[in-house]
Amino acid sequence: DAKTTQPNSMESNEEEPVHLPCNHSTISGTDYIHWYRQLPSQGPEYVIHGLTSNVNNRMASLAIAEDRKSSTLILHRATLRDAAVYYCILGGEYGNKLVFGAGTILRVKS
Amino acid sequence: GAVVSQHPSWVICKSGTSVKIECRSLDFQATTMFWYRQFPKQSLMLMATSNEGSKATYEQGVEKDKFLINHASLTLSTLTVTSAHPEDSSFYICSARRPGTRELFFGEGSRLTVL
Repeated sequence: DAKTTQPNSMESNEEEPVHLPCNHSTISGTDYIHWYRQLPSQGPEYVIHGLTSNVNNRMASLAIAEDRKSSTLILHRATLRDAAVYYCILGGEYGNKLVFGAGTILRVKS
Repeated sequence: GAVVSQHPSWVICKSGTSVKIECRSLDFQATTMFWYRQFPKQSLMLMATSNEGSKATYEQGVEKDKFLINHASLTLSTLTVTSAHPEDSSFYICSARRPGTRELFFGEGSRLTVL
């Protein structure tokens, strides 16, 4: 499985944008980039995923580098409820068998 | 609301006993479900892939006789931790993909504590 590298932790102020980076230099041509997040004592939840083009949904935006060796998850206005561990995972289009890395702990300050 | 549900959400048992955890897809059929384990302050570790009507596929290092998986229907997979010991204490999480979507839905997790 191709690996991803994320910072251990990041901190943000409430109502400000947050950019969560992910490096995946060994990504293959068919790997999709999936982002999930896990709130304390809960199962993970889907955030967003993409292949080559930038993606937007109601939760976040995903900016993918042109060479696809890195990507950035963007939370446009962080809230306290966004405090979670964010996982960047490479997988197939339908992301069935996802292998989680360490993720980034996002702390949001009020 | 939740589309994948686990039961129980937490369980405490004595060492040597067996514990069954259920994972249900609530409004869709899932031919495949995935079981993960998560120790405190660690990431999720994929344990096995549960296949409806056939044997589960276990990840390397996961004992299939220790963690029995049964996927008897299209909406239910069960994980039984046999002869549980304190080192099996963990957060167990299942997931499934709703057909027609690209996202995995995860259950709320089941916290097992073995005394």
